[in-house]
Amino acid sequence: GAGVSQTPSNKVTEKGKYVELRCDPISGHTALYWYRQSLGQGPEFLIYFQGTGAADDSGLPNDRFFAVRPEGSVSTLKIQRTERGDSAVYLCASSLGGTTEAFFGQGTRLTVV
Amino acid sequence: GIQVEQSPPDLILQEGANSTLRCNFSDSVNNLQWFHQNPWGQLINLFYIPSGTKQNGRLSATTVATERYSLLYISSSQTTDSGVYFCAVDPGTASKLTFGTGTRLQVTL
Repeated sequence: GAGVSQTPSNKVTEKGKYVELRCDPISGHTALYWYRQSLGQGPEFLIYFQGTGAADDSGLPNDRFFAVRPEGSVSTLKIQRTERGDSAVYLCASSLGGTTEAFFGQGTRLTVV
Repeated sequence: GIQVEQSPPDLILQEGANSTLRCNFSDSVNNLQWFHQNPWGQLINLFYIPSGTKQNGRLSATTVATERYSLLYISSSQTTDSGVYFCAVDPGTASKLTFGTGTRLQVTL
């Protein structure tokens, strides 16, 4: 596609439920990133994929968070047993790889009630 | 990890005014990007500028890598320039961007 696409745009879930957030990167981009942005803050890194493998998952806050990219294109961020503190905008970005320019999707606003 | 500081944190301008936003970073970088986050939350790429100077319309940016800072210039500001401007850097060893805290710009009529 023309840009990075994220679905859904908004997600409201109850505390304790499981959620999946999807990211469709720019065609041909081998690098994919997930970030989380809380109100009034800059985006914070969660995980980086190069191809199908997670090259750096040091930003995942705990083991309730997991992400996959099985075919090296679309990625899914999975959050188990959601907590109210998980409420934030989750942003996905892609790039050609390495330190090249990254492009962001419009984000998924997750609200845990 | 690398530290990124932006100034000023908040800026109010009248339409037509010029401004300079600054980004300081604590280590050498292989990637530096400026973004504009619009009121709908979308991060819009302004510049990919690990070094040197670039211009795009009313906007221009300069990165002095040896002195670890970058500047974003906005000339003849318009109300559509309102939003938050982020600087983000990658030292090259991490392949991930670290964002500054942003400059919130409001342009009034």
